[in-house]
Amino acid sequence: HSALTQPASMSGSPGQSITISCTGTNSDVGNYNLVSWYQQHPGKAPRFIIYEINKRPSGVSDRFSGSKSGNTASLTISGLQPEDEADYHCCSYAGGGTLVFGGGTRLTVL
Amino acid sequence: QVQLVESGGGVVKPGGSLRLSCVASGFTFTDGYMSWIRQAPGKGLEWFADISSSGRTIYYADSVKGRFTISRDNAKKSVDLEMNSLRVEDTAVYYCASRSLGYVAYWGQGTMVTVSS
Repeated sequence: HSALTQPASMSGSPGQSITISCTGTNSDVGNYNLVSWYQQHPGKAPRFIIYEINKRPSGVSDRFSGSKSGNTASLTISGLQPEDEADYHCCSYAGGGTLVFGGGTRLTVL
Repeated sequence: QVQLVESGGGVVKPGGSLRLSCVASGFTFTDGYMSWIRQAPGKGLEWFADISSSGRTIYYADSVKGRFTISRDNAKKSVDLEMNSLRVEDTAVYYCASRSLGYVAYWGQGTMVTVSS
């Protein structure tokens, strides 16, 4: 499976909302409701913030939300805060026990 | 709290071998799959190996199949990764992780593997 496609970088101002897209194929994103998202600050391990398209683990802010349409999943961050500046990675189950990740999106909060 | 602690990273020449280890605590180790995921410098994440709770079911990505071997010891709450025939493109931070079917809930802090002559 090829990596999922994410924009390399995005930016927004504090208080704004941004949406990061993640495009796969009908063998991964389009075929399973098993898309997850991870936040990664520089030099740190990833932290999972969304699973099964739009569910938030305990402790994750409700400013983070997820959705999916066809082969494209999206992560929306509302009310941007300086601490949201990080890399964001999408991931999809791809069958046969495998996972496929996106290339990551670097979010800058201006 | 949940902890996954990797060890064994380092510098190795192309064609060489390395063994990574990961020790888990703070959760029921036998509840699910354990994974290894890596991240090349400046790149995205790449899932490449999984092992079921019993150790009987194992998955590998094509990029490492035949070269890497994942194993686990439930008594020691550990998962290992034996890496052979290492290539320059295997250079990455290697993360040990606890996985449910469609997501990775817990991550270790990572250990760096550099393959260079």
